[in-house]
Amino acid sequence: EVQLVESGGGLVQPGRSLRLSCAASGFTFDDYAMHWVRQAPGKGLEWVSGISWNSGSIGYADSVKGRFTISRDNAKNSLYLQMNSLRAEDTALYYCAKDNGGVDDAFDIWGQGTMVTVSS
Amino acid sequence: SSELTQDPAVSVALGQTVRITCQGDSLRSYYASWYQQKPGQAPVLVIYGKNNRPSGIPDRFSGSSSGNTASLTITGAQAEDEADYYCNSRDSSGNHLRVFGGGTKLTVL
Repeated sequence: EVQLVESGGGLVQPGRSLRLSCAASGFTFDDYAMHWVRQAPGKGLEWVSGISWNSGSIGYADSVKGRFTISRDNAKNSLYLQMNSLRAEDTALYYCAKDNGGVDDAFDIWGQGTMVTVSS
Repeated sequence: SSELTQDPAVSVALGQTVRITCQGDSLRSYYASWYQQKPGQAPVLVIYGKNNRPSGIPDRFSGSSSGNTASLTITGAQAEDEADYYCNSRDSSGNHLRVFGGGTKLTVL
């Protein structure tokens, strides 16, 4: 079964750091780009960051650039998001999503998300 | 960075056809993908590319595109189609950049 399982969320104070993880199974992880997408409570989806299969190409939303770092470990079938200098507006459910790998870009598999709450 | 614009809410009578639209400059160069999200659940891909449906998505869902507008059409809407729908495409400013529309809340009457 193709599966993505996020972990690492929690309550953190403003200005502190948190590292999210996403464990992939059921597919050849290093064949695909991966992404992080977040959703603030009651709000829409926001793409956060994406990374190519070999980490050679990385992108960030303007809202997190310079504060968040995406990475992957293909040997461990895992995706990560290092979040520094967290702000209240980073409070959201963070989803890990698999790229479908074709020219028709899409996120074909999603995890259930891990909640990050930034509050003092 | 690019932006994608969706109507916040749309309604449709049971069994009728509804079109949900997404507008943005990036859609002149890239296809949109569409996601259905029901309360408390993760998003699900329903349409991608020119008009492709993942396995398990009913054929009442279809996609199209013209100029800067992408559309998701549900032909014969069912009660279970009531959900939030989001479009997404590449951001025209970078390879691994993506952008979501604000979402459309679909109500089936």
